[in-house]
Amino acid sequence: DGGITQSPKYLFRKEGQNVTLSCEQNLNHDAMYWYRQDPGQGLRLIYYSQIVNDFQKGDIAEGYSVSREKKESFPLTVTSAQKNPTAFYLCASRDQDLRDTQYFGPGTRLTVL
Amino acid sequence: EDQVTQSPEALRLQEGESSSLNCSYTVSGLRGLFWYRQDPGKGPEFLFTLYSAGEEKEKERLKATLTKKESFLHITAPKPEDSATYLCAVQVSGGYQKVTFGTGTKLQVIP
Repeated sequence: DGGITQSPKYLFRKEGQNVTLSCEQNLNHDAMYWYRQDPGQGLRLIYYSQIVNDFQKGDIAEGYSVSREKKESFPLTVTSAQKNPTAFYLCASRDQDLRDTQYFGPGTRLTVL
Repeated sequence: EDQVTQSPEALRLQEGESSSLNCSYTVSGLRGLFWYRQDPGKGPEFLFTLYSAGEEKEKERLKATLTKKESFLHITAPKPEDSATYLCAVQVSGGYQKVTFGTGTKLQVIP
């Protein structure tokens, strides 16, 4: 089955630690995205990548970093510089053949202890 | 600035009681409007994409419509399993096809 996987489902971080969230897709999509979801707010774009070895900052990139070394993978690192990292993180990929519809993974819940 | 507003924030329906959710938008150059369903603790599940005013899409008890300023998600004879948060998002032309999301409508269907 084609789809997007994210791991881990739950992640706990201590103050001052960097953590990396995994996102893998086997849909053969070029474009991938990372969003953050907080209660009462719409999804906010952190980073996006339209092609391998290229990525761009979204609306709230401060304190985050990404890489895109393979088409299938788009990991997100939450650094210690992110002041309020507790949130639900969603990875998505875009189907250019289906009018740019974005499909989402199951999400990772990050909690700072 | 692109804006997407969903109303109501929360909706409680009796099973079988039809209703509509609203998504109004102000964007420069609409490329597409998307509806998603999101269950607690899970990623959004794609429902519909609409591209031009007058377009309609249907899936089981759900029907999405689009005008030049808003979209409606009509729910006919809902069942408890339709309980979820419904998200609306708009994609604008140009750049990286930026998608702006609304904050969602939380629907609860009571047996």
